[in-house]
Amino acid sequence: ETGVTQSPTHLIKTRGQQVTLRCSSQSGHNTVSWYQQALGQGPQFIFQYYREEENGRGNFPPRFSGLQFPNYSSELNVNALELDDSALYLCASSYGQGSYEQYFGPGTRLTVT
Amino acid sequence: GESVGLHLPTLSVQEGDNSIINCAYSNSASDYFIWYKQESGKGPQFIIDIRSNMDKRQGQRVTVLLNKTVKHLSLQIAATQPGDSAVYFCAENPQYNFNKFYFGSGTKLNVKP
Repeated sequence: ETGVTQSPTHLIKTRGQQVTLRCSSQSGHNTVSWYQQALGQGPQFIFQYYREEENGRGNFPPRFSGLQFPNYSSELNVNALELDDSALYLCASSYGQGSYEQYFGPGTRLTVT
Repeated sequence: GESVGLHLPTLSVQEGDNSIINCAYSNSASDYFIWYKQESGKGPQFIIDIRSNMDKRQGQRVTVLLNKTVKHLSLQIAATQPGDSAVYFCAENPQYNFNKFYFGSGTKLNVKP
C-alpha cells in the first residue's frame, strides 16, 4: 500500500451534475497529480498541484478544476458532467517539482449516466 | 474489479519463465521513466524507475533496460509468478514538464500456472 487514499471508492452521477473527488497524499509528499483512466487505456494527466498552486495542466477543459490544501490533500472537481467523464480517477503524490517517483492511490470509479 | 486491459497487447508466459515487456516512448527529451503494475480494480503500483543517464537498473526480480537511441524501454521479470499477472505501463517524464507523466497504452501479462 502506498499511503495515498482516495474517496469515495465508487460514485454514480447523472449527466450535467457536479462531482468532487478527494485525495490524501502520502506523508512527506507535497505534490499531487490527478489522472483520468478510461477503461482499457493508460492514465491521462489532468493537472498537478504543488504547495497549493496549480503546477501544470493536461488537455482537459476548464470544467475540471482542483484544489490543494495546506496539509497537501487535494480535491478534483468536475462540473457539467458528460457521459465521457466516466472513468477511474487516480491521484498520485510525490515530493517536489522535479522528476521523482510518484505513488498512486486506489482511484475513484466515476460512472456518469 | 473491472478489467483495465480490455484491448491491450497481451503477453502469456508460463509460471517460472522470464517475462519481457516492451515499451516505445515518444519524446526524446524524456529523462525519467517509471514502470507501473496495475491489477484489476486498483491504482498503478510503482515497480521500478530509471533515469536517462543509466541504461540498466535492477530491482528485486525486475530489471529495466533503457535504449535512448531507439527510444525503447523494457521490463524484465525473472521467474514470473501468478501474482505478476496484471497490466504493465511504462510512463515517461519529459524534462521540461517536471512531474507530469505520459503513460503508454499498457501490456497485459497473463501467467499460466
